[in-house]
Amino acid sequence: AQSVTQLDSQVPVFEEAPVELRCNYSSSVSVYLFWYVQYPNQGLQLLLKYLSGSTLVESINGFEAEFNKSQTSFHLRKPSVHISDTAEYFCAVSVKYNNNDMRFGAGTRLTVKP
Amino acid sequence: DTAVSQTPKYLVTQMGNDKSIKCEQNLGHDTMYWYKQDSKKFLKIMFSYNNKELIINETVPNRFSPKSPDKAHLNLHINSLELGDSAVYFCASESVRGLADLETQYFGPGTRLLVL
Repeated sequence: AQSVTQLDSQVPVFEEAPVELRCNYSSSVSVYLFWYVQYPNQGLQLLLKYLSGSTLVESINGFEAEFNKSQTSFHLRKPSVHISDTAEYFCAVSVKYNNNDMRFGAGTRLTVKP
Repeated sequence: DTAVSQTPKYLVTQMGNDKSIKCEQNLGHDTMYWYKQDSKKFLKIMFSYNNKELIINETVPNRFSPKSPDKAHLNLHINSLELGDSAVYFCASESVRGLADLETQYFGPGTRLLVL
């Protein structure tokens, strides 16, 4: 089965600094990849996803992630973070054509400090 | 006009009790899920329902039973609650037909269950 590893459990950064949240996956077949964000006491919201096509995907709030098949990675980046980006970020993977078995990483807690 | 809603938001109960958590989606989606998020924020899929058929049942104790009265609802019933059941339970839904929302799961706000 597919699996996801998020290498950093916590990432503290200062406001306006760049950030990268790392995600690696393993699967023997083609996959879809996702980043979800969870704000305190809320459910998960989809941030961005890679299904096919361009390996660089972007969200509306300035985040981007690049699918790297050779390194089996899907790292999330933002060039300049805001206080409001403080949240838990989850990387997830599902097997193509079988999204009923989505696997989540353990999450990365991003804390943006003033 | 909440897309995916869950009730109750908080649930505190004693060991051994039976409880239910309700989930409703108004998105017209045909697949719904239940996830469990433990105290370390680890999220694990429990069940998936598509057109009233159970698709996945992970290694979840049979004390947990999903019930879907119709396509818009997927309730989670838990018998004989144990301390280890304390967690946040999330419902999610997805359409497998819409191109715009392809492969996107929409999550409810979660139900925080505490078993004493």
